[in-house]
Amino acid sequence: DTGVSQNPRHKITKRGQNVTFRCDPISEHNRLYWYRQTLGQGPEFLTYFQNEAQLEKSRLLSDRFSAERPKGSFSTLEIQRTEQGDSAMYLCASSQLPTTWAEAFFGQGTRLTVV
Amino acid sequence: DAKTTQPNSMESNEEEPVHLPCNHSTISGTDYIHWYRQLPSQGPEYVIHGLTSNVNNRMASLAIAEDRKSSTLILHRATLRDAAVYYCILTNTDKLIFGTGTRLQVFP
Repeated sequence: DTGVSQNPRHKITKRGQNVTFRCDPISEHNRLYWYRQTLGQGPEFLTYFQNEAQLEKSRLLSDRFSAERPKGSFSTLEIQRTEQGDSAMYLCASSQLPTTWAEAFFGQGTRLTVV
Repeated sequence: DAKTTQPNSMESNEEEPVHLPCNHSTISGTDYIHWYRQLPSQGPEYVIHGLTSNVNNRMASLAIAEDRKSSTLILHRATLRDAAVYYCILTNTDKLIFGTGTRLQVFP
């Protein structure tokens, strides 16, 4: 197992276009989290899944953002009608147990640049 | 989630011990204390976590004050690879809320 995998690593898109990112968690990890990180800031929580159920969404997640985790395996994060303010690093993490008392494993992220 | 306060930056020399402080005066009885670090151009990496007792693992030690209102991450011998942003996080829910962390610089 190579850890949490995110694709693509980099994405440049024009304002107004839709983009989709993929996250493959560690096998058998039933929890999957999405975070967004801008320069000089810590990661901001966006949403998380337990298996295929999306259990929580941050108020930061506007209607243009949608995340799915079909069959409780990989997850996708889609941003519609991208804006320059969406430029950030998008991080995915997975864990086998609640991150209250267990370790979360992060991917290397997808860096989005909106021009 | 309760708030944590960390210094913006700290410096250390290689092979010296490093003590990274974290204040969390509003911690609740069910909050776990987690530390993650983020190396340049990488996702965050788990370091250690604890509830009430001090904890040791291969990477670091976590010293928790008796009243739990502060904690200290201890790197016993800093290496150049330890240069990173260190985040102290309190959580009792199934998610991690990051602050801005402490940027640790390690000099040879």
